[in-house]
Amino acid sequence: AQSVSQHNHHVILSEAASLELGCNYSYGGTVNLFWYVQYPGQHLQLLLKYFSGDPLVKGIKGFEAEFIKSKFSFNLRKPSVQWSDTAEYFCAVNDNYGQNFVFGPGTRLSVLP
Amino acid sequence: DTAVSQTPKYLVTQMGNDKSIKCEQNLGHDTMYWYKQDSKKFLKIMFSYNNKELIINETVPNRFSPKSPDKAHLNLHINSLELGDSAVYFCASSQDTLTGGGNQPQHFGDGTRLSIL
Repeated sequence: AQSVSQHNHHVILSEAASLELGCNYSYGGTVNLFWYVQYPGQHLQLLLKYFSGDPLVKGIKGFEAEFIKSKFSFNLRKPSVQWSDTAEYFCAVNDNYGQNFVFGPGTRLSVLP
Repeated sequence: DTAVSQTPKYLVTQMGNDKSIKCEQNLGHDTMYWYKQDSKKFLKIMFSYNNKELIINETVPNRFSPKSPDKAHLNLHINSLELGDSAVYFCASSQDTLTGGGNQPQHFGDGTRLSIL
């Protein structure tokens, strides 16, 4: 069965700091990869997704993620965080058949003003 | 105008009851989803429909039955509710499917908090 791990449970940064959130998955086949964000008060949003092609994926709000197949990783990055980025971030993966969609446990990001 | 709307926002009911959560999207999207988030914030996709056809059906008890009368609606009916069903249920929609190659975003509803007494 697939699994997704996220390295950090809680990350605390000051505004303008750079962000990298780790995500690793276990699945040997072709995968699709996703990052979701959940803001305080529950609102969920899809940040970006990877299917094929360029392993560096640009998403909304200045986020990007890099797929490194050899490391089974899909880390999320942002060069300069803002207070409004405070949220929970979930990595997810599914196989290329669209089944077995699995979320990671989430990383809570707190950005201090 | 709300793009993806779920009703009710809160649902408190007793074990053993049958309840439904409704979802409607006015974005003209072809694909709709149901997600479940438990008390530990663990997220799980439950179902996905594309043009009223079921395309994702994760391991979910038979007590959960999605119904899509048209592509703008995806309702979730739950029979014989159990304590473990307490969670927040999110509906979402997107133009393409999760495995589609497009970059169309998913739009989420505000969630329905289901509490089982």
